[in-house]
Amino acid sequence: QVQLVQSGAEVKRPGASVKVSCNASGYTFTAFYIYWVRQAPGQGLQWMGWINPHSGDTNYAQKFQGRVTMTRDTSISTAYMDLSRLRSDDSAVYYCVRYGNYFAFDIWGQGTMVTVSS
Amino acid sequence: DIQMTQSPSSLSASVGDRVTITCRASQYISNYVNWYQQRPGRAPKLLISAASSLQGGVPSRFSGSGSGTDFTLTISSLQPEDFATYYCQQTYNTPGFGFGQGTRLEIK
Repeated sequence: QVQLVQSGAEVKRPGASVKVSCNASGYTFTAFYIYWVRQAPGQGLQWMGWINPHSGDTNYAQKFQGRVTMTRDTSISTAYMDLSRLRSDDSAVYYCVRYGNYFAFDIWGQGTMVTVSS
Repeated sequence: DIQMTQSPSSLSASVGDRVTITCRASQYISNYVNWYQQRPGRAPKLLISAASSLQGGVPSRFSGSGSGTDFTLTISSLQPEDFATYYCQQTYNTPGFGFGQGTRLEIK
């Protein structure tokens, strides 16, 4: 079935970087944009940016520009989100999401918990 | 950026009740509104796209309406599994598709 499977939980020190992977299956990976959305504990949903898996083009929310890098490896249908210079307020669940046929986020990864703590 | 303002932020209701959640966009967005349900500890799930199109497998007690700037999500008869947090989202204006702040639906 169509799914996005993310890498496991991470614990990082402040100032470090984290790289989260998102493996797509059940559809043509290059046909749909992948977005990254994060959710801090008890908070709402915040989009971070997107990547076009076909071209590699990216666009990042202003809040994360300079700290986030989104890449992909089409040979293994996997997207990546790298966030650097981590702070405690980056502790959150990070989701990869497919921007699908209905102008909506139709497929969500299971989420990756990133904890930033000294 | 287009702002999505959801109300109420929380709501207490009983099984069998009819509930309505509203979402207002800061500018015209046609019908480019989606609604998501998020249960605790789970990823959000797409319920309704394009303001009123029910996704496959979503019970018919869920419905959406609206166009322009004002949108509603209605649950006609609450079931125990419907107690969750609901988010609206606009997909009219790229690059960012902002969400409303969420409505937490709790059991009365």
